Amino acid sequence: GQNIDQPTEMTATEGAIVQINCTYQTSGFNGLFWYQQHAGEAPTFLSYNVLDGLEEKGRFSSFLSRSKGYSYLLLKELQMKDSASYLCAVNNFNKFYFGSGTKLNVKP
Amino acid sequence: GAGVSQSPSNKVTEKGKDVELRCDPISGHTALYWYRQSLGQGLEFLIYFQGNSAPDKSGLPSDRFSAERTGGSVSTLTIQRTQQEDSAVYLCASSLVRAQANYGYTFGSGTRLTVV
Repeated sequence: GQNIDQPTEMTATEGAIVQINCTYQTSGFNGLFWYQQHAGEAPTFLSYNVLDGLEEKGRFSSFLSRSKGYSYLLLKELQMKDSASYLCAVNNFNKFYFGSGTKLNVKP
Repeated sequence: GAGVSQSPSNKVTEKGKDVELRCDPISGHTALYWYRQSLGQGLEFLIYFQGNSAPDKSGLPSDRFSAERTGGSVSTLTIQRTQQEDSAVYLCASSLVRAQANYGYTFGSGTRLTVV
């Protein structure tokens, strides 16, 4: 089966840094994606990793270790608008398997 | 169109009725996916269409669920004899050939289905 785990909820302060972890066990692997989903809206693509290491895109970075089945999303200089759910998803031969998402609450 | 369009945005139906949900993908996207998201849960894969190939239906939860894609474009997800546990947001996504590294899927805004 496919198993993707993320913390359910996290709280952080505006301006701070937060790291959202994701561990996975899947039958195949073609890349790991992070999506952001605001309440009541569709998920939007944030980042993609297929090789080990860190990918940086502005305030957001994503890290992957394939040998450990582990990824994290790093959000810097948090803003109130970053309050959302963050979904970790593994691409397994054209199907995406999603974690349940981490709800991030950013407080002033 | 510019994005993935889904209709209706909200649907309330009585238990036992059939419903049809529509997805109009981005023009030129050959891959189309349906997912279901129950309240507070992650996305559950339902079905995947790729061009003219036979769809991957491995995620459909029961034989009450079916989907078709006409002309390689618009897709309809049909749920027969709806049950209360079918209440969820149904999301459609499309991509070029397969999910690309630079943007993955593009999701529609979803159809919120409530079975009463």
